[in-house]
Amino acid sequence: QVHLQEWGAGPLKPSETLTLTCAVYGGSLSGYYWSWIRQPPGKGLEWIGEINHSGSTTYNPSLRSRLAISVDTSKRQVSLRLTSVTATDTAVYYCARLVRFLGGNYFDPWGQGTLVIVSS
Amino acid sequence: SVLTQPPSASGTPGQTVTISCSGSSSNIGGNTVNWYQQLPGTAPTLLIYADNQRPSGIPDRFSGSKSGTSASLAISGLQSEDEADYYCAAWDDSLIGRLFGGGTRLTVL
Repeated sequence: QVHLQEWGAGPLKPSETLTLTCAVYGGSLSGYYWSWIRQPPGKGLEWIGEINHSGSTTYNPSLRSRLAISVDTSKRQVSLRLTSVTATDTAVYYCARLVRFLGGNYFDPWGQGTLVIVSS
Repeated sequence: SVLTQPPSASGTPGQTVTISCSGSSSNIGGNTVNWYQQLPGTAPTLLIYADNQRPSGIPDRFSGSKSGTSASLAISGLQSEDEADYYCAAWDDSLIGRLFGGGTRLTVL
């Protein structure tokens, strides 16, 4: 059974770069897309972007200029890099497997999430 | 949010509650809808996919439907453990990205 685990650095200051990693346990990266989704405290979910095992990416247009998602198939890890962070980037960041099939797609499973705080 | 959900819903044990998700032709109208359940303090989990399909392990008390540019999640035989936030989601052809609804907090009275 696939299990996802996210981690990243501690509190950030405005203008710094956020880097997070998601490790995939119990399954292969091939055949799936791997997504990042975030949730500001007390608010709803926002899709950030996704990548497949070959490195093909799709980003949320609102974040594209600051965002880079990469994959390391040898380590079975997916990474997120978000530059020039502000307080509005404070959120729980989740990674999730995107299952695609004829007619649709869905996120399953999700990692437990990691809280990122941006504060001066 | 481009996908509009009521911020809250409530019901008593045993009742049926329906949560709506309203969109447009570029998202719900042309793509499948998924629903996610987020229990307090936990990560979201898949509840319904492809408009009305239940993953294994999801009770048949949960059902999804779609008509035109709107989708609905129905929960029958409401239980206290159903108290959670519920999110609809769909791909948007105009945004070229994935959308979530604003979420609906379900309270079991």
